[in-house]
Amino acid sequence: GEDVEQSLFLSVREGDSSVINCTYTDSSSTYLYWYKQEPGAGLQLLTYIFSNMDMKQDQRLTVLLNKKDKHLSLRIADTQTGDSAIYFCAENLGTGRRALTFGSGTRLQVQP
Amino acid sequence: GAVVSQHPSWVICKSGTSVKIECRSLDFQATTMFWYRQFPKQSLMLMATSNEGSKATYEQGVEKDKFLINHASLTLSTLTVTSAHPEDSSFYICSARDRTSGRGYEQYFGPGTRLTVT
Repeated sequence: GEDVEQSLFLSVREGDSSVINCTYTDSSSTYLYWYKQEPGAGLQLLTYIFSNMDMKQDQRLTVLLNKKDKHLSLRIADTQTGDSAIYFCAENLGTGRRALTFGSGTRLQVQP
Repeated sequence: GAVVSQHPSWVICKSGTSVKIECRSLDFQATTMFWYRQFPKQSLMLMATSNEGSKATYEQGVEKDKFLINHASLTLSTLTVTSAHPEDSSFYICSARDRTSGRGYEQYFGPGTRLTVT
């Protein structure tokens, strides 16, 4: 089955950049996603990248996709305390499927 | 933007009882909704795909007789946990796709329902 892996924890200082990494296995995914989950809450779609793109920038967020290595990263510029949350990368569960498979989540802690 | 609600947000029930969780798309129609389960400090795992007007599709290892899914309308799917046991305690999250949206990436998540079985 599909497997999406992430590092579990990242701590940065306010104002620094954060980089969260993810590796995935299903090369047929059309889109790859980054979701944010705050404590006790549901998931918020932060950004996504189409599989034929290498990079996408959206304000403070930059997504890099390396299809050869099946590596996805999310860079948050000028990280703020409000960015503290768990970040999940996700891909479609399989060819033609809309359901998602998620990584284990990276807990980002932003220190003032 | 599209909003998905869940009700209740938090429920405590006794072992052996059944609990119904609702997932509603508030401002769009959803022919397909998904039910995920999240254990503490873990990722989300897909339980089943809820299809309007037809039977749900369950993932391997998920008991369909224990987790009853009904998708009776284009805006409502329900998940009933039957004969709940403490090991069913979890965070249940639904998501929905707007059937009219041409943007295949868009899937909207509900806020989740925390179930505690005592």
